[in-house]
Amino acid sequence: AQTVTQSQPEMSVQEAETVTLSCTYDTSESDYYLFWYKQPPSRQMILVIRQEAYKQQNATENRFSVNFQKAAKSFSLKISDSQLGDAAMYFCARSSKSSGDKLTFGTGTRLAVRP
Amino acid sequence: NAGVMQNPRHLVRRRGQEARLRCSPMKGHSHVYWYRQLPEEGLKFMVYLQKENIIDESGMPKERFSAEFPKEGPSILRIQQVVRGDSAAYFCASSPGLVGEQYFGPGTRLTVT
Repeated sequence: AQTVTQSQPEMSVQEAETVTLSCTYDTSESDYYLFWYKQPPSRQMILVIRQEAYKQQNATENRFSVNFQKAAKSFSLKISDSQLGDAAMYFCARSSKSSGDKLTFGTGTRLAVRP
Repeated sequence: NAGVMQNPRHLVRRRGQEARLRCSPMKGHSHVYWYRQLPEEGLKFMVYLQKENIIDESGMPKERFSAEFPKEGPSILRIQQVVRGDSAAYFCASSPGLVGEQYFGPGTRLTVT
């Protein structure tokens, strides 16, 4: 089974500090995508960042960046200068064309931001 | 540019009734995915459809659940004879093709009493 594992059920960060959320995955494919989604209390799923497995360069979106270690099958999310609005559930997910792009999600990490 | 639309946002059904959840994908998107999120859990894939075709239903329960995406109109997820265990948030996502990225609707929260 193609699984995604998030080993941190909860994390906490001080406002303006940096936090890293961990994610590992299992796959036998060479061409796949990795994502981080944010789910605030409204429950809307918001795409934070995506990474194509064939790209060596780590993706960056403003304060959000990833550390993609393909050999280790690791895909962590770093949030810099944390803001109160970053408080949410964060889900790591993967997909691949061979599986019709369906997303496999991890169990999530609840991030709290302390003022 | 309207996003993915789902209705109703909240649906209450008594045990044994039918639930119909609708999803209108983004304009130009012909691929629709349904996911279920049980309380305090991540999203789980249910079914993947293209217009008039079910491509992958490996995540659908074998009984009581069905999905369609007709040539005209929204995609429908239908749950017959609902039970309390069906209470969950059901999310629809759409994409224009196999491009890796999906856009999610706001979800339908189903409560079975």
